[in-house]
Amino acid sequence: AQSVTQPDIHITVSEGASLELRCNYSYGATPYLFWYVQSPGQGLQLLLKYFSGDTLVQGIKGFEAEFKRSQSSFNLRKPSVHWSDAAEYFCAVDEQGGSEKLVFGKGTKLTVNP
Amino acid sequence: DADVTQTPRNRITKTGKRIMLECSQTKGHDRMYWYRQDPGLGLRLIYYSFDVKDINKGEISDGYSVSRQAQAKFSLSLESAIPNQTALYFCATSSRTEAFFGQGTRLTVV
Repeated sequence: AQSVTQPDIHITVSEGASLELRCNYSYGATPYLFWYVQSPGQGLQLLLKYFSGDTLVQGIKGFEAEFKRSQSSFNLRKPSVHWSDAAEYFCAVDEQGGSEKLVFGKGTKLTVNP
Repeated sequence: DADVTQTPRNRITKTGKRIMLECSQTKGHDRMYWYRQDPGLGLRLIYYSFDVKDINKGEISDGYSVSRQAQAKFSLSLESAIPNQTALYFCATSSRTEAFFGQGTRLTVV
C-alpha cells in the first residue's frame, strides 16, 4: 500500500542543537512533497514543499528539506533549534503530483529542552 | 481574518445526535477538504470537493456526510455520532501548490 512513514514518533533535542526529522514515502513516481508544522492548539502551517528541480528546498523559520529519490526520502532539517520550534511536524505527499489529495504521515512530536 | 474558519472550535455531543461542523474560506480556491486527526495517526481524509458539484469520498468517509453550499463553504455532518468519532477535525482549501488549514474543531462524543 502506498504510504508516508515518519519513523520517529517523538524527538527531544536541546535548544541550539541540530535537528533532522525523517520522512519516507512508498509511491512509485515522484510525488509532490510537503512538510507542515502544527503548534499546540493550532492548525497546520506549511513549512516547505518540493515539486521538482533542486532537491534541497528552503522553507520558513530556517527549515530546509532534501529530496532523495534513491531513498524515497524527504527529510526535514534545521541547523539550530529554538524553543519555539516545539510542535508536531507532519510530512505529506500529493501522490498524483497536483491532484491535491494529501496523504499525511503520522507525525513527529518535537520537544525542545532549554 | 483567518483564511479558513471552522465553527464551532469545540463541541461535546451525545451518542446518537446529529452534528454539523462548518467551514468557510476566503482564499477563493475551488478545492476543499475535511480531515480527521487522531493522536498517533496523523491526518486522514474524510471527504473532498473539487468544486460545488464535485464531492468525493476520502479514506474514512463511513459515518460522515458533507455538503458544499458554495465555493467558500463546505460542511461536514455526523448523522448519528458515536464515541469513536471523537477527534480533531480540520477543514482545508488548496491551490495547486499549497493547502491552507483551519484551526480545527475538537469534537467529543460522549
